[in-house]
Amino acid sequence: DSGVTQTPKHLITATGQRVTLRCSPRSGDLSVYWYQQSLDQGLQFLIQYYNGEERAKGNILERFSAQQFPDLHSELNLSSLELGDSALYFCASSAYPDRVFGYTFGSGTRLTVV
Amino acid sequence: KNEVEQSPQNLTAQEGEFITINCSYSVGISALHWLQQHPGGGIVSLFMLSSGKKKHGRLIATINIQEKHSSLHITASHPRDSAVYICAVSSSGGSNYKLTFGKGTLLTVNP
Repeated sequence: DSGVTQTPKHLITATGQRVTLRCSPRSGDLSVYWYQQSLDQGLQFLIQYYNGEERAKGNILERFSAQQFPDLHSELNLSSLELGDSALYFCASSAYPDRVFGYTFGSGTRLTVV
Repeated sequence: KNEVEQSPQNLTAQEGEFITINCSYSVGISALHWLQQHPGGGIVSLFMLSSGKKKHGRLIATINIQEKHSSLHITASHPRDSAVYICAVSSSGGSNYKLTFGKGTLLTVNP
């Protein structure tokens, strides 16, 4: 157990639907990062939050949004799902937002859009 | 050209062999990471380094900042080392807290 908890582990849903992925960071970590891993694109950075505020945005589609709550857990919302959104979604956490202090990854949520 | 290039893409070794995986990057970095991903998907951070060399058990990671190159070595490889090894960098300046990933190296160690 890495200390970063992601739920659910697996999710199967239909095109056009909306899903929410949840991440609880390691205790004490204030920064949360979301990454998408697809077969064709590999791992890509989506978005980062630090202590409730958005800090950096990567290749995140407009159909996707995220937030970090006061208890520091984060949710990634994916809407109007398309087949191409099928991927592994990872959350990682770290202690500091702009110093490379090391990352801890969750075990990922595997999303399948049918 | 990708910002982070790994070689080889696939590597098959016999148990006990010494293994080297290479990573080259084209951007200024604040740190380089080596990650391990087993079948089933979970990612484990092996090393984070910004200079020199780090060792953990049978794993050694080196980085040459001037040449923008890093290597991951596995000594006395074992079938349980079979996994995808991913090189990632944190860019210096701007959004230096996000990772840019290589495509990964699939390592298979046969008994």
